Amino acid sequence: ETGVTQTPRHLVMGMTNKKSLKCEQHLGHNAMYWYKQSAKKPLELMFVYNFKEQTENNSVPSRFSPECPNSSHLFLHLHTLQPEDSALYLCASSQVWGAEGYTFGSGTRLTVV
Amino acid sequence: SQQGEEDPQALSIQEGENATMNCSYKTSINNLQWYRQNSGRGLVHLILIRSNEREKHSGRLRVTLDTSKKSSSLLITASRAADTASYFCVGGGSNYKLTFGKGTLLTVNP
Repeated sequence: ETGVTQTPRHLVMGMTNKKSLKCEQHLGHNAMYWYKQSAKKPLELMFVYNFKEQTENNSVPSRFSPECPNSSHLFLHLHTLQPEDSALYLCASSQVWGAEGYTFGSGTRLTVV
Repeated sequence: SQQGEEDPQALSIQEGENATMNCSYKTSINNLQWYRQNSGRGLVHLILIRSNEREKHSGRLRVTLDTSKKSSSLLITASRAADTASYFCVGGGSNYKLTFGKGTLLTVNP
């Protein structure tokens, strides 16, 4: 375990389903991130939260909705996804102004059918 | 942040050999970070070298940084099958966001 826990590890959902991905860290970090990793593509930064406030949304479709209720928890709510949204979704955390690098979770492997 | 470009895209070696991966970036950075990703898992932070450092060691890892050439290298000595993974470099800048490249896929054959 890295200190960043993601659940579930695997998720299969239909295009009309609503599901949520959860990320939790107790490292005392104040920034949290969602990344998407599709096959054969670089990691794509989706959302950035800094002290619970969303500071970046990289043109992510509205069918992905993040939520950060406190600095330890981050959610990604999913609704009416498309098959091309199937990917590995990674959560990471860091200190905002620190230089110690990111701590990643193990990811959620999402399959949209 | 500064996205790094790793070279080569793929590297295959025998167990016990050394593996060298290179990284280039385009603008100034505060630090250069290397990460490893095992297949289908999250990334693991390996080592960070600051812009005023030229070389850093951690176990079997040796990282160099040449800010004049905007390049870095990661050397893994005495490689093991367990080192098989993708390796990413990324430049840390004045903000805290990190943008990752495509990485180098290292395969260590037993």
